[in-house]
Amino acid sequence: NAGVTQTPKFRVLKTGQSMTLLCAQDMNHEYMYWYRQDPGMGLRLIHYSVGEGTTAKGEVPDGYNVSRLKKQNFLLGLESAAPSQTSVYFCASRAGRGLSNEKLFFGSGTQLSVL
Amino acid sequence: AQSVTQLGSHVSVSEGALVLLRCNYSSSVPPYLFWYVQYPNQGLQLLLKYTSAATLVKGINGFEAEFKKSETSFHLTKPSAHMSDAAEYFCAVSESSGSRLTFGEGTQLTVNP
Repeated sequence: NAGVTQTPKFRVLKTGQSMTLLCAQDMNHEYMYWYRQDPGMGLRLIHYSVGEGTTAKGEVPDGYNVSRLKKQNFLLGLESAAPSQTSVYFCASRAGRGLSNEKLFFGSGTQLSVL
Repeated sequence: AQSVTQLGSHVSVSEGALVLLRCNYSSSVPPYLFWYVQYPNQGLQLLLKYTSAATLVKGINGFEAEFKKSETSFHLTKPSAHMSDAAEYFCAVSESSGSRLTFGEGTQLTVNP
């Protein structure tokens, strides 16, 4: 069982370039999330989805867009990358609502540098 | 709005010593509280969670945490540190049955031989 898979693992972009990060989960989870991790700031929620075809803004959504066309995939897009978007990006998923579904499963991260 | 504050961005202990990582939360409704651990170059893994059942919660690898409503705290402890416990630890909060999890800033634990 692969769990949550993120691609790519590393990427270097120039300012103004665009890219898409892919998150795939094989656990039939309803909820999916994109976080960014920066030193001393913990994990901050960018966007999330509570089901196929739905998306919602998190704490730091500016400069990012997302899509959830298929239940197993959650895409994070950067239309015009900026140096402030240099970070480690984590995707996570959880089964859904309810006491037994609170656990988040994380991917191994994507390290993005914007020069 | 919900938030967590972790006191101390770095904690250093000797192998065999008590581990205490502090977390205070703010939530307008009864919270769910979590501790996650991140080993180098990996994603986060769930250590333990509090979801309004027992106030003392036991997790994996000998860790436990106690929910204290009067102090709005959810501190993480382990009686005896092991070298393999060196990692970054994150406290997190969500509203009951909420869809969003808010993380603290993290505490880097170093274990000295």
